[in-house]
Amino acid sequence: LAKTTQPISMDSYEGQEVNITCSHNNIATNDYITWYQQFPSQGPRFIIQGYKTKVTNEVASLFIPADRKSSTLSLPRVSLSDTAVYYCLVGAGNDYKLSFGAGTTVTVRA
Amino acid sequence: EADIYQTPRYLVIGTGKKITLECSQTMGHDKMYWYQQDPGMELHLIHYSYGVNSTEKGDLSSESTVSRIRTEHFPLTLESARPSHTSQYLCASSDRLQGTTRETQYFGPGTRLLVL
Repeated sequence: LAKTTQPISMDSYEGQEVNITCSHNNIATNDYITWYQQFPSQGPRFIIQGYKTKVTNEVASLFIPADRKSSTLSLPRVSLSDTAVYYCLVGAGNDYKLSFGAGTTVTVRA
Repeated sequence: EADIYQTPRYLVIGTGKKITLECSQTMGHDKMYWYQQDPGMELHLIHYSYGVNSTEKGDLSSESTVSRIRTEHFPLTLESARPSHTSQYLCASSDRLQGTTRETQYFGPGTRLLVL
């Protein structure tokens, strides 16, 4: 399992862009990078997943450099409702378990 | 949107009682998981299953047991509840995109357990 490192917390204000970088130096060739969001008292929710370069959906963008040793989740124009814990997971479908770690607590202020 | 259900959502029970937390998914996923999470703390994997009749213990030692008799059903049982079992229990299932190694976990709403 590729170990990931991400900041413990980040603060932002409404309307700003939030970028969370996750380091995964020992990522394997067939590993995908997946980000989840968790609100208090709820289960994590899938946000975005990628393998290389850039992936964008209606919620976020995921930037992955060529060496794939890190990735950056970008949340455009955050609102108060984006306050949550964000987890970066690295692994492949044959992993029997993926570690969520502590995640990054993002706090958006008015 | 994923269809994974957990019941009950909240449970308050006395010490020594036997409880079963239910988890069902209608997506036909082979892999299912149980996590335990205390407020503000990390998710800890306590059980997982590759498919019917497959169950394994996760990273966090747990006194609970699980069974997987049907693909869609993955119940968790505590034979004798204790206050130390007070926590939130989250069930998840995962799919794999055919022909790739991509996999995504879908979580249920969780069961908040309080053992008095």
